[in-house]
Amino acid sequence: AQKITQTQPGMFVQEKEAVTLDCTYDTSDPSYGLFWYKQPSSGEMIFLIYQGSYDQQNATEGRYSLNFQKARKSANLVISASQLGDSAMYFCAMRDNQAGTALIFGKGTTLSVSS
Amino acid sequence: KAGVTQTPRYLIKTRGQQVTLSCSPISGHRSVSWYQQTPGQGLQFLFEYFSETQRNKGNFPGRFSGRQFSNSRSEMNVSTLELGDSALYLCASSETVSGPRIVYTFGSGTRLTVV
Repeated sequence: AQKITQTQPGMFVQEKEAVTLDCTYDTSDPSYGLFWYKQPSSGEMIFLIYQGSYDQQNATEGRYSLNFQKARKSANLVISASQLGDSAMYFCAMRDNQAGTALIFGKGTTLSVSS
Repeated sequence: KAGVTQTPRYLIKTRGQQVTLSCSPISGHRSVSWYQQTPGQGLQFLFEYFSETQRNKGNFPGRFSGRQFSNSRSEMNVSTLELGDSALYLCASSETVSGPRIVYTFGSGTRLTVV
C-alpha cells in the first residue's frame, strides 16, 4: 500500500539558515507525483512544490527545492534562508494511479524558526 | 482568481446531530476533494467529486456523504455526529496541468467541534 513517512515531528532552525525536512514514500506505481504543503496555524494548506516521478531534474520554487532520490524513495524539502514566517506544519503528500485522485499525506513536521 | 472558499469556518454541534459543510472551488475547476484532519489520524481522504459524480472514495462510514452541483460547488454531510468527528475538514479543488501533474488548491477549512 502507498505510504508517506515523515520521521521528524519537529524541527528548529534560526533565521537565514537552511533546513531540510525529510520525506520517504512507498509505492509500486512507476508513475506518481510528490507534493509538499505548508499549513500555518490558520489551517489553510499552501502548495509549495511538486515533483513528478519522471521529472529529470529536482524541482525548485524560489526558496524551496526538492532533493528527489528516486532509488531511495525519498523527497526531502529544502528551505533556504529560513524566515520567521516559515514557522508552520509541513506535509509531504503523494498521488499515484492506485490512489487515483486522492492525496496520501504524511504525519507532518512542525518547523519553528527563531530570530 | 478567487481561491477555494469553505463555509462556515467554525461549527459546534451536539452528538447525534447532522452537519453540512460547503466548498466553492476555483472557477473552472471541476474536481473537488474533501479531507478530514485530526491530531490522531492526520489527513485522510474522504471523497472526490468530478462533474457532479463521485469519482473516488476513502475509507469512511456511510454517515459521511457528499454531493456536487452543476456549478462545481460541493457539500459534504455528516449525519449522527460522534465526538470523533471533531476535526478540521479541508476541501481542495483541482485541475490537471499536464499529464499526471494535478494542481490541488485547498481552502482554509471548516473546524467542526462535536460536544
